[in-house]
Amino acid sequence: KQEVTQIPAALSVPEGENLVLNCSFTDSAIYNLQWFRQDPGKGLTSLLLIQSSQREQTSGRLNASLDKSSGRSTLYIAASQPGDSATYLCAVTPWQETSGSRLTFGEGTQLTVNP
Amino acid sequence: SQTIHQWPATLVQPVGSPLSLECTVEGTSNPNLYWYRQAAGRGLQLLFYSVGIGQISSEVPQNLSASRPQDRQFILSSKKLLLSDSGFYLCASPKGTISGELFFGEGSRLTVL
Repeated sequence: KQEVTQIPAALSVPEGENLVLNCSFTDSAIYNLQWFRQDPGKGLTSLLLIQSSQREQTSGRLNASLDKSSGRSTLYIAASQPGDSATYLCAVTPWQETSGSRLTFGEGTQLTVNP
Repeated sequence: SQTIHQWPATLVQPVGSPLSLECTVEGTSNPNLYWYRQAAGRGLQLLFYSVGIGQISSEVPQNLSASRPQDRQFILSSKKLLLSDSGFYLCASPKGTISGELFFGEGSRLTVL
């Protein structure tokens, strides 16, 4: 059974700092890995998706990497801003789910960026 | 563009009462729909998924049921709510048919008292 772990559970940083959020998964037979952002009381917003054949994806100040063999992904946020404060979730799609999306989620990292 | 509408957004119900949460999807070619639950202090758990009208698969045994009466409509129900049914319920749909990227609705927060 796939298990996804995110470390740390919570992180508080001053504005402007670069930071890294970690995600690990136990079964490397994945189709893709996704990073989501969740604001309090809201749904999830997809940030980045990395296919199993890819090593990284970038969007603006965000960069996500994937090391499938070691079962790890990182989300790098450059020059953090107070508006980045949210919970960040990673999720993996099993290899057999090529068109569906039965994701396994981590419990998230709650990020607070202080002005 | 793809949109997912969920209602009600917030619901407070007594134990033993019935439940109906609705999800309507627009702007996607992928027929799959999902119900996830996010309980306090826990990650998201997949409850049900559907690949088409009348086709429902349950991921975990529970007090809830799901139905797909129309292609774009996915309903989560219960005949008698339990305290443990409290949580944040999210409907989701894949973006397209290849990437597996998942698009979520804004959620329905259920509190059972």
